[in-house]
Amino acid sequence: GAVVSQHPSWVICKSGTSVKIECRSLDFQATTMFWYRQFPKQSLMLMATSNEGSKATYEQGVEKDKFLINHASLTLSTLTVTSAHPEDSSFYICSDGVAGSRNEQFFGPGTRLTVL
Amino acid sequence: AQKVTQAQTEISVVEKEDVTLDCVYETRDTTYYLFWYKQPPSGELVFLIRRNSFDEQNEISGRYSWNFQKSTSSFNFTITASQVVDSAVYFCALSGYSNSGYALNFGKGTSLLVTP
Repeated sequence: GAVVSQHPSWVICKSGTSVKIECRSLDFQATTMFWYRQFPKQSLMLMATSNEGSKATYEQGVEKDKFLINHASLTLSTLTVTSAHPEDSSFYICSDGVAGSRNEQFFGPGTRLTVL
Repeated sequence: AQKVTQAQTEISVVEKEDVTLDCVYETRDTTYYLFWYKQPPSGELVFLIRRNSFDEQNEISGRYSWNFQKSTSSFNFTITASQVVDSAVYFCALSGYSNSGYALNFGKGTSLLVTP
């Protein structure tokens, strides 16, 4: 079964509002989780690395003040898109950062954000 | 820096044909992982395989097979006797290794359409 969940699965909001996306690890403790963004018909691009108990690290070109990441517990990372605009409309996907003997890296089911 | 190239943007085949999806990668790491994921229209990523850099053995799983060749930095994916349900976007991805988990660098994806 799924080991990473995301909520909501889709959201439509007005321009200027903030949207929070939750990513939960269901059966393991994740000190690191990753956030990706996928625009229509494009590939997945890493946005940021979420670190439990410390600041997230952002990829080049990703505004940290716009995409707020909080990783307050070992099972929950949140991504808040602040003052969303239509160009932020995308598919946001999180994944676990558990390495080691597990053969698979798990991804959440994704959150489709549409900003009107 | 890591890079994954999937030169085939779209492939269309007729059911029961064999099809190979190409993947070429670049990395300076000596330890790395290669992945293939399937993304159906729903958007959720479906894990297909992970291969580490020390294991060049080819793998077969049902109708799927993978050919890993370090000499040509390629990790190609073949579907034998394709079916309509195989229609999806397929991503090849590369990661380094980290004790805290690893983010993936994705290729641009190959959209496969299998028609009856």
